[in-house]
Amino acid sequence: AQSVTQPDIHITVSEGASLELRCNYSYGATPYLFWYVQSPGQGLQLLLKYFSGDTLVQGIKGFEAEFKRSQSSFNLRKPSVHWSDAAEYFCAVGDRTGANNLFFGTGTRLTVIP
Amino acid sequence: EPEVTQTPSHQVTQMGQEVILRCVPISNHLYFYWYRQILGQKVEFLVSFYNNEISEKSEIFDDQFSVERPDGSNFTLKIRSTKLEDSAMYFCASSKGNQPQHFGDGTRLSIL
Repeated sequence: AQSVTQPDIHITVSEGASLELRCNYSYGATPYLFWYVQSPGQGLQLLLKYFSGDTLVQGIKGFEAEFKRSQSSFNLRKPSVHWSDAAEYFCAVGDRTGANNLFFGTGTRLTVIP
Repeated sequence: EPEVTQTPSHQVTQMGQEVILRCVPISNHLYFYWYRQILGQKVEFLVSFYNNEISEKSEIFDDQFSVERPDGSNFTLKIRSTKLEDSAMYFCASSKGNQPQHFGDGTRLSIL
């Protein structure tokens, strides 16, 4: 069965510092992989996706993520965090069969300090 | 950019009452989804809908739940007899299939 693990519940970084949010997945084959961001009281906004091809994918707002098959990981990175990046970040696995239902991790809450 | 819209943004209902949550997916999308997020927990898949029928549903989606696409634009989630544990944020999403899902801003359902 599909599952997603985000080991860090809460991360605090200083504005301008680099960021890496961890995501590990369990899936029988190569999944579709996504990172979504959720600001308080808002819906889920897609940051980036991996379907196939280049394992380093670029997203919006300066985020990138790297798919590492050997580690079953899809970590999200940003070289320099902005105060507006404070939010909840969710990694998700998409089922390649059928309707591509998403299975989410528990999320990582990012706090940015001045 | 087209958006998924959900109404109402907040619904308060007495336990045991029926509730209908409404969604307008992006117009050229073919797949529709409902997800649930209990406060402080992860987003959970409820059901997917394609070609006017349920594609898949999770264990959460029991007989109290139903979905419908009553016309060419709306997609609804009905909870027949609400329970306290149904209190959550409900998200609608749509996609073209093998493309990322676009989410609405959610409906916060509060059961009293």
